[in-house]
Amino acid sequence: GAGVSQSPSNKVTEKGKDVELRCDPISGHTALYWYRQRLGQGLEFLIYFQGNSAPDKSGLPSDRFSAERTGESVSTLTIQRTQQEDSAVYLCASSSRNPVKETQYFGPGTRLLVL
Amino acid sequence: AQTVTQSQPEMSVQEAETVTLSCTYDTSESNYYLFWYKQPPSRQMILVIRQEAYKQQNATENRFSVNFQKAAKSFSLKISDSQLGDTAMYFCAFMKNTGNQFYFGTGTSLTVIP
Repeated sequence: GAGVSQSPSNKVTEKGKDVELRCDPISGHTALYWYRQRLGQGLEFLIYFQGNSAPDKSGLPSDRFSAERTGESVSTLTIQRTQQEDSAVYLCASSSRNPVKETQYFGPGTRLLVL
Repeated sequence: AQTVTQSQPEMSVQEAETVTLSCTYDTSESNYYLFWYKQPPSRQMILVIRQEAYKQQNATENRFSVNFQKAAKSFSLKISDSQLGDTAMYFCAFMKNTGNQFYFGTGTSLTVIP
């Protein structure tokens, strides 16, 4: 079946512009994560959705970052007033229930470059 | 706070040989999970192996095994009979039993030499 998909695969934007990144999880997966990966670095947790529970937003670096998810479907990560430091690969992952006990499936990521 | 340290930024190994990637972590939790993820050039993150901290037995998955030393807070990955397809970045990760956050190390770039 289809895996996790993300769009766009690459995004170049100008400093100060808003960007929206999309994640389509595997159908039926209730858990969804967003991560940021800066060049040469590990993954940095941003936000976690689990079913209809309130999301865990503790990893969002500033109020310029927000994410939404409708039910157990698509999620969008929005970055407002982008800064050059936001340049990174943004990865989305989903799992069927408990991301610890169930394998997380990662998307290919969106590479964001802020000029 | 939880931290994960991978002290080997780059490693290489001859095809068919064995290599060990190191990972240490710092936590005050007693129950947690540890993971090794592989990220090939395609950027797709792939789970290699998972270890529950309450299990004393080291996890194994085919050619991949871990050496989990809970007291030392060490979680190394051994790859046996290395294959060219093992070339990738390898990330060690930690998750509390009660939390949602995964904490990742900075990764080790492994190159398998033919």
